[in-house]
Amino acid sequence: RKEVEQDPGPFNVPEGATVAFNCTYSNSASQSFFWYRQDCRKEPKLLMSVYSSGNEDGRFTAQLNRASQYISLLIRDSKLSDSATYLCVVNMNRGSTLGRLYFGRGTQLTVWP
Amino acid sequence: GAVVSQHPSWVICKSGTSVKIECRSLDFQATTMFWYRQFPKQSLMLMATSNEGSKATYEQGVEKDKFLINHASLTLSTLTVTSAHPEDSSFYICSARDPSGVPYEQYFGPGTRLTVT
Repeated sequence: RKEVEQDPGPFNVPEGATVAFNCTYSNSASQSFFWYRQDCRKEPKLLMSVYSSGNEDGRFTAQLNRASQYISLLIRDSKLSDSATYLCVVNMNRGSTLGRLYFGRGTQLTVWP
Repeated sequence: GAVVSQHPSWVICKSGTSVKIECRSLDFQATTMFWYRQFPKQSLMLMATSNEGSKATYEQGVEKDKFLINHASLTLSTLTVTSAHPEDSSFYICSARDPSGVPYEQYFGPGTRLTVT
């Protein structure tokens, strides 16, 4: 079983729509959780960290449910510029490697005018 | 935020040749750097963890004699793909952790697209 599982999509939504992405992780010892954004043929960039209490950054809201090992990202009022692949990322210490990141396959979002 | 550069950004080479990719942390000292590979429509897969002044730790299934990693200074790690073959064509991305920064956050380089013909 993969460490991080995501629905690859694609999600095609009109501007202004609200869209939600989900992610599950397999290891209950996971310590930190993130959503990254990756544009086509570019490196991933940190979108936001995810905390147990839930956190919001403008139009983006992230939630973590440790009991269910489930992470979500909600995007409100979608913009054309939100079109990208969204990566669910989990951090674990593994052996002697501190802060090892595990990436989901990513969920592709296309926002159309 | 912290900046990581990679060079070259893309490279085309012939089968059997070797290619070296450089990863530099520009405004911080990175004791640990990571090398990833990403195939089309796939997730980033960690290849190895590079620690300054010591041998790299390779992930299971990654050939250490084929993917040579050198982390000779606190700001530079290199990945050499030796005797490259078409199946090595991929997007190679490095990242670095700033020990004085946010815990567990990694800063990614812009990636190197390798095509082996």
